[in-house]
Amino acid sequence: DIVVTQSPDSLAVSLGERATISCKSSQSVLYSSNNKNYLAWYQQKAGQPPKLLIYLASTRESGVPDRFSGSGSGTDFTLTISSLLAEDVAVYYCQQYYTTPYTFGQGTKLEIK
Amino acid sequence: EVQLVESGGGLVQPGGSLRLSCAASGFTFSSYWMHWVRQAPGKGLVWVSRINSDGSGTNYADSVKGRFTISRDNAKNTLYLQMNSLRAEDTAVYYCAGNYNGFDYWGQGTLVTVSS
Repeated sequence: DIVVTQSPDSLAVSLGERATISCKSSQSVLYSSNNKNYLAWYQQKAGQPPKLLIYLASTRESGVPDRFSGSGSGTDFTLTISSLLAEDVAVYYCQQYYTTPYTFGQGTKLEIK
Repeated sequence: EVQLVESGGGLVQPGGSLRLSCAASGFTFSSYWMHWVRQAPGKGLVWVSRINSDGSGTNYADSVKGRFTISRDNAKNTLYLQMNSLRAEDTAVYYCAGNYNGFDYWGQGTLVTVSS
């Protein structure tokens, strides 16, 4: 199984500042035939289901604000929130969907400093 | 508006069975691969199972293989999860999710509690 590890486990950032979350997979999630990375990012607010933010490592889902961006390739990925708003308080998960079992990272809890 | 509505959760004794349902609307259900994902209280997300768009292919997490069965009825726009031989560690909120790009659509979840 591909192990997905996020860092840090929790993060406190001031309003308007940048938040960065790292995600590492134990093996590459880059599909060589199409050069696409099968890595997604989700946001889960308290009491709600997860919401897809980013797919294929860097493609923003429709309706997601452009302050959210994803980058990386192979085994190392990053979610960046460029200017934190209060509404961004949530737990963020990365997930590889390259191969089953489709594993999630353990989550990163983002709070306001 | 896209909707996924899970039902069928509840309290069950260890060794018991439950069948979860997920009713879909607002999108072309028969074109989407569908998944079940669970989340134990206060814990992270764990993928459980997937089924392809026509129901001919399925996959399971090792922790549920041989005990859980995923299925779908495209005529009824409904996804199912038959859960047998339930254990305490199966206690979780179970979400259904539709997969096109990533897991694009999620239901609100249904709570399954396995306890005597």
